[in-house]
Amino acid sequence: DSGVTQTPKHLITATGQRVTLRCSPRSGDLSVYWYQQSLDQGLQFLIQYYNGEERAKGNILERFSAQQFPDLHSELNLSSLELGDSALYFCASSSGDPMNTEAFFGQGTRLTVV
Amino acid sequence: KNQVEQSPQSLIILEGKNCTLQCNYTVSPFSNLRWYKQDTGRGPVSLTIMTFSENTKSNGRYTATLDADTKQSSLHITASQLSDSASYICVVRDAYSGAGSYQLTFGKGTKLSVIP
Repeated sequence: DSGVTQTPKHLITATGQRVTLRCSPRSGDLSVYWYQQSLDQGLQFLIQYYNGEERAKGNILERFSAQQFPDLHSELNLSSLELGDSALYFCASSSGDPMNTEAFFGQGTRLTVV
Repeated sequence: KNQVEQSPQSLIILEGKNCTLQCNYTVSPFSNLRWYKQDTGRGPVSLTIMTFSENTKSNGRYTATLDADTKQSSLHITASQLSDSASYICVVRDAYSGAGSYQLTFGKGTKLSVIP
């Protein structure tokens, strides 16, 4: 158990809908990262938050947004969903924003858009 | 454009045998390189991290090497076990400028299957 909790574990929704994925980082970790992993594809870095502020941005679509709350949990909002958004969404956390600290991954949320 | 290429895409080996996975990158400026193990349907778990000055780092039966000049890394698995069956992902981070934001570039992974 990495200590990172993601909910829900599975989500099935229709095209055009909006969903929110939730991540609770390890206790004390200030950084939260979101990743997308499509079927047979590698991990794609979406966005990072550090202590409530956006720190790094990857290949995140404009239909997607995220935030980190004062209690350090984070939410990833996906709107106007398309079939191609079906993927595993991982959250990871680390203790700060240093160069070498390990990021611990949650078990992921499997999103299926039908 | 920063890229990380991993080879082979997939690999099948017999239990007890050794294997080596490759990672070539074009990320610049380079900060560090990390190897992750990802079991099917689960989150990745870090195996090793290497910075510019490190050539070799071991974690049990896993040994990673880094050649920062040629921008190549390898992950060697010794005496493979059935539990080594997983995807192995190479991730390279560029140097944090302080003014902007750093980027993580992920390889697509090598899928390793260890068979009895």
